[in-house]
Amino acid sequence: EVQLVESGGGLVQPGGSLRLSCAASGFTFSSVSMSWVRQAPGKGLEWVAAIKEGAGEKYYLDSVKGRFTVSRDNAKNSLYLQMDSLRAEDTAVYYCARFRTRVDDWGQGTLVIVSS
Amino acid sequence: QSALTQPASVSGSPGQSITISCPGTSSDVGASNYVSWYQQHPGKAPKLMIYDVSNRPSGVSNRFSGSKSGNTASLTISGLQAEDEADYYCASYTTTNTLLFGGGTKLTVL
Repeated sequence: EVQLVESGGGLVQPGGSLRLSCAASGFTFSSVSMSWVRQAPGKGLEWVAAIKEGAGEKYYLDSVKGRFTVSRDNAKNSLYLQMDSLRAEDTAVYYCARFRTRVDDWGQGTLVIVSS
Repeated sequence: QSALTQPASVSGSPGQSITISCPGTSSDVGASNYVSWYQQHPGKAPKLMIYDVSNRPSGVSNRFSGSKSGNTASLTISGLQAEDEADYYCASYTTTNTLLFGGGTKLTVL
């Protein structure tokens, strides 16, 4: 059974940083692309970033380019999202996702609140 | 890129069929064979219901079907059931290796 467990969310001030983690199990992590998708309170889904299996290729939503960095550690079956220069509009539940040309599996999400 | 436009809400009675549209452009939906649909119940993570326009993952009811014509993708749910009441999102995989979601449609089962 595929399991994706996010952690690292919380309250942070505007301009601050946060690092999200996702522990994956139930599939061969090193063989699949992974992604982060977010959902602001009461709003729709928004794809944020993706990273290919070998970590050589990364893709980002335009509004987070230069502020967010996606990475992975295949030895630890883990996905990360380093979020810097956070803004109020980054407030959302962040989902870890097993990703191809669609999201096959989702974690339960971790809430990030950017507020002073 | 702006979110794909979906109707904010649709409704139907139990047993009826409903269709949710996902109009895009020739640069996203029209150019992609990788349109997917997701169901999300309140407070829960989304669930993949349709991928590659019309394919159902294992375990998804055959009451759910997807199609595409030109720049518009559609999700049809037949034989509506109370548990189908949820938010539904379309998504299109783009030529720049990103995923563009629709704004979401709230389905109410009357």
